[in-house]
Amino acid sequence: DIVMTQSPDSLTVSLGERATINCKSSQSILYTSNNKNYLGWYQQKPGQPPKLLIYWASTRESGVPDRFSGSGSGTDFTLTISSLQAEDVAVYYCQQYYSTPYTFGQGTNLEIK
Amino acid sequence: EVQLVESGGGLVQPGGSLRLSCAASGFTFSSYSMNWVRQAPGKGLEWLSYISGSGSTIYYADSVKGRITISRDNAKNSLYLQMNSLRADDTAVYYCARDPYDSTGYRYFQHWGQGTLVTVSS
Repeated sequence: DIVMTQSPDSLTVSLGERATINCKSSQSILYTSNNKNYLGWYQQKPGQPPKLLIYWASTRESGVPDRFSGSGSGTDFTLTISSLQAEDVAVYYCQQYYSTPYTFGQGTNLEIK
Repeated sequence: EVQLVESGGGLVQPGGSLRLSCAASGFTFSSYSMNWVRQAPGKGLEWLSYISGSGSTIYYADSVKGRITISRDNAKNSLYLQMNSLRADDTAVYYCARDPYDSTGYRYFQHWGQGTLVTVSS
């Protein structure tokens, strides 16, 4: 199984500041035949289901604010929120869909300082 | 608008069985592959099972293989999860989640239901 490890487990950032969440996979999730990284990012607010933010490691889902961006390749990935807003308080998960079982990171709890 | 509505959760005794349903609307159900994902209280997300649009391809997580069965009825726009031999550590919110396409590689979860809570306790 591909193990997804996020860091940090929790993060406190001031409003308007940048938030960075890292995700590392135990093996490469870059499919060389199409040069795509099989990595998604989700946001989950309390009492709600997860919401897809980013897929293919860096493609923003429709309707997601452009302050959210994804980067990385191979085994190391980053979700960046360029200017933190109050509504961004949530738990963020990365997920690999390169191979079954499709696995998630343990989550990063993002709070406002 | 895509809607996924889970039902069938509740309190069940250890060793018992439960069948969860997910009613889909707002899209052509048979054209999309579907998944079940669960979340134990205060914990992270765990993918459980995948089924292709036609139902011909199915995958399970090893942690639940042999105890769960995923199925779908495209005529009824519904997804199901039959769970048997339930244990306390199966207590979780169970979500159905839709893939963006019924196509190899497109296995990120674009749409989610609100979830249904399964509690396994005596």
